[in-house]
Formats: sequence, structure tokens, C-alpha cells
Amino acid sequence: EAQVTQNPRYLITVTGKKLTVTCSQNMNHEYMSWYRQDPGLGLRQIYYSMNVEVTDKGDVPEGYKVSRKEKRNFPLILESPSPNQTSLYFCASSGRGRENQPQHFGDGTRLSIL
Amino acid sequence: DAKTTQPTSMDCAEGRAANLPCNHSTISGNEYVYWYRQIHSQGPQYIIHGLKNNETNEMASLIITEDRKSSTLILPHATLRDTAVYYCILSWGKFQFGAGTQVVVTP
Repeated sequence: EAQVTQNPRYLITVTGKKLTVTCSQNMNHEYMSWYRQDPGLGLRQIYYSMNVEVTDKGDVPEGYKVSRKEKRNFPLILESPSPNQTSLYFCASSGRGRENQPQHFGDGTRLSIL
Repeated sequence: DAKTTQPTSMDCAEGRAANLPCNHSTISGNEYVYWYRQIHSQGPQYIIHGLKNNETNEMASLIITEDRKSSTLILPHATLRDTAVYYCILSWGKFQFGAGTQVVVTP
């Protein structure tokens, strides 16, 4: 089954403790992206990657890092999490070609930073 | 990317067609119209997209006006499971989600 898988689904942690949220897709998609969703602010893009070893900042990149060493994986790294990064996070992927392609989203990761 | 305007909320009776409008008067020539929905806090679910022509799939129909300044998503027979926030997005690569329309389907 074609899917985008995020782990963990839920995490409660403390300020300053490094964490990584993994994202994996099995559709051989070139494009991958991370979003955060906060009440009243909607979904905002954090980082995206057009292909392996190619990443770029989205609208709210501060406090986050990403890497794209393999096509299928796009982890989101919080080196020193802070309470304002408490949010619902979504990973997405899409193919790239001559046709504009829809993004497929994971089920989300709810992070609580205390 | 150009922005879209959607009503904040809509009610729809179960079994009836739901027509969700979206205005995008500043759409550019290469931007597609996408529709997604989000049920509670689940991941956004792709519904349909189009460039100029009307489109239909197993979930919905998309009607785009000839000048491309507005579109309508049609859910032909709304069910209670269609209750969700529906997002109309313009995209050539980057997706920017607005506030969407909260659709409530009632029995």
C-alpha cells in the first residue's frame, strides 16, 4: 500500500532534549516536505526537499533541521526543542514530472515539549 | 503563490450534494487548483485537482470557471464521514494551506 509513515505518532519530551521525527515513503517520490499545524495558523511548511541531497527552507524553518540522504526518508530534527515547537507535524511526499502531482500526507506526529 | 478565499463554514444534509466554492481571482497560468480535506487532526487527504478543465474522480467533481478565477468542489452525495475541513489550494510546486471551509454534514 502506498503510504507516508511517520514515527513516533506521539511524543512528550522536555526542553533541550534532541529528538528526531522520522518520515518514510514507499512511492519513490522525489519531493518530500514537513509541515506543522497550530490552532488558528493552519498548516505551515517547515522544510522541503526536491530530491536526494537537495533541501530548502519553507516558511517556518527556525529551530529545525532536515536531511535527505536517501530518496525514501526525510527525517525532521529538533536539536534543542523548545515549548513553542509543541505542535502537530505532518510529512508529505509527491512525485515530480511534467504533470503537477498531489502531495500525500502522513498521519501526523503530535509533539509536546515541556 | 496566489491566495484563495473560501467560506468559513457550511452545513450540508446527508445524501445531498455539497457544493464548496473557492475564489482565486489572482491565479496565474501555471497554477493548478487542488482540493484537500482534513478530518479532525488526521493528515490532509487529497481529493482532486485540475488546471483548466473540469475533473471528476470517485470522490468528487471539480468545476473550474472559464476565466479560472473561481472553482467549485462538488461532493455528489454527502455522508456523515465527509464532515471535515476542506482546503482549496493553488499550486505550482509549493502548497500553502489557508483556513479552509469547515463542512458539517448532518443527518
